[in-house]
Amino acid sequence: SQELEQSPQSLIVQEGKNLTINCTSSKTLYGLYWYKQKYGEGLIFLMMLQKGGEEKSHEKITAKLDEKKQQSSLHITASQPSHAGIYLCGAAFSIFGTGTRLKVLA
Amino acid sequence: KAGVTQTPRYLIKTRGQQVTLSCSPISGHRSVSWYQQTPGQGLQFLFEYFSETQRNKGNFPGRFSGRQFSNSRSEMNVSTLELGDSALYLCASSLGAGGTQETQYFGPGTRLLVL
Repeated sequence: SQELEQSPQSLIVQEGKNLTINCTSSKTLYGLYWYKQKYGEGLIFLMMLQKGGEEKSHEKITAKLDEKKQQSSLHITASQPSHAGIYLCGAAFSIFGTGTRLKVLA
Repeated sequence: KAGVTQTPRYLIKTRGQQVTLSCSPISGHRSVSWYQQTPGQGLQFLFEYFSETQRNKGNFPGRFSGRQFSNSRSEMNVSTLELGDSALYLCASSLGAGGTQETQYFGPGTRLLVL
């Protein structure tokens, strides 16, 4: 069965710094979702990547899908306290990554 | 358009009891999926319902069951509760057309504590 592993597991950055979260799949990725979750709440859909090489941006968040590496990365530019939360990658609705907990220090 | 709603938001039960959680999807969405989230196991897929039929199922014991009504609202039931069932239960809805272009929208979750 497919597994998604995220790195790092947790991240603490100073406000204004850039950061990258990776999601690596044990099998070929045919599409990948990124979500953000505030502690104890539901997941908020960020973006969906459907094909290798695809890159999408929303505000200060950019995600890329590298099909050959079976990996996706999520990059946040000039982080803000509002970016804090848990970031999860997902595939095919039934498989989710282990999550990356992000804290942004003001 | 209203988002996905889940009731109740919080629940405390004791071991051996049973519990029913409810999920109302976004209007027009026909697929509802349920997930269990715990600190140790992360987010795990329970099952998906589409047009009142279970379409996919995760690896959970038979104590976990669900159903979907004709208006797409869904309920999840856990019988003979165990301490390990304490978790955040999330439901998500989507149009249900399948394929790689579907987007899921999650509810706020029901936090269940089993004592």
